[in-house]
Amino acid sequence: NAGVTQTPKFQVLKTGQSMTLQCAQDMNHNSMYWYRQDPGMGLRLIYYSASEGTTDKGEVPNGYNVSRLNKREFSLRLESAAPSQTSVYFCASKWDRTNTEAFFGQGTRLTVV
Amino acid sequence: DAKTTQPNSMESNEEEPVHLPCNHSTISGTDYIHWYRQLPSQGPEYVIHGLTSNVNNRMASLAIAEDRKSSTLILHRATLRDAAVYYCILIPNRDDKIIFGKGTRLHILP
Repeated sequence: NAGVTQTPKFQVLKTGQSMTLQCAQDMNHNSMYWYRQDPGMGLRLIYYSASEGTTDKGEVPNGYNVSRLNKREFSLRLESAAPSQTSVYFCASKWDRTNTEAFFGQGTRLTVV
Repeated sequence: DAKTTQPNSMESNEEEPVHLPCNHSTISGTDYIHWYRQLPSQGPEYVIHGLTSNVNNRMASLAIAEDRKSSTLILHRATLRDAAVYYCILIPNRDDKIIFGKGTRLHILP
């Protein structure tokens, strides 16, 4: 039982390059999330998805797109990376809108140079 | 969205109890109080949550004030492994969004 798996774990991009961060969960959860965490700061919600086929903006959605490919997978795409997007990105999932615990991945450390 | 206020940092001695406070004076009746913690270089992990009554689990206890405007996370016997950032979060019932604040950085002294 792997929980929430994020790939890659580390990535260096040049300004203007694009990439997709992958997230998959094996707990049959309905809700999935993407967060970013800048050095010394708390987590900020980028996008979330309440179910397959639905996505909603969080606190800081600009510069990102997401896809809820199926119930298991929720990807985050940077179309044209900027140095301000250098951060650690966390994916999370939970059962649904009832008050259950969320499970987080180990993070993807992204550096944009 | 209702906000929470936590101290930026706290210190405690190893093997002693730790009381982490959280103020949420604008809490609404449907807001659950959740606590997560983030160990160094890891993703956050769930600790405990409650609505009105005090709650206990294997990790911690949650004491909720009678007026629900504040709560306290209690670690009964701190270990070095409990050094982390602790986040107090309000989540309305039937709401998907989980919004983190700045949290409290807990230092454990050996």
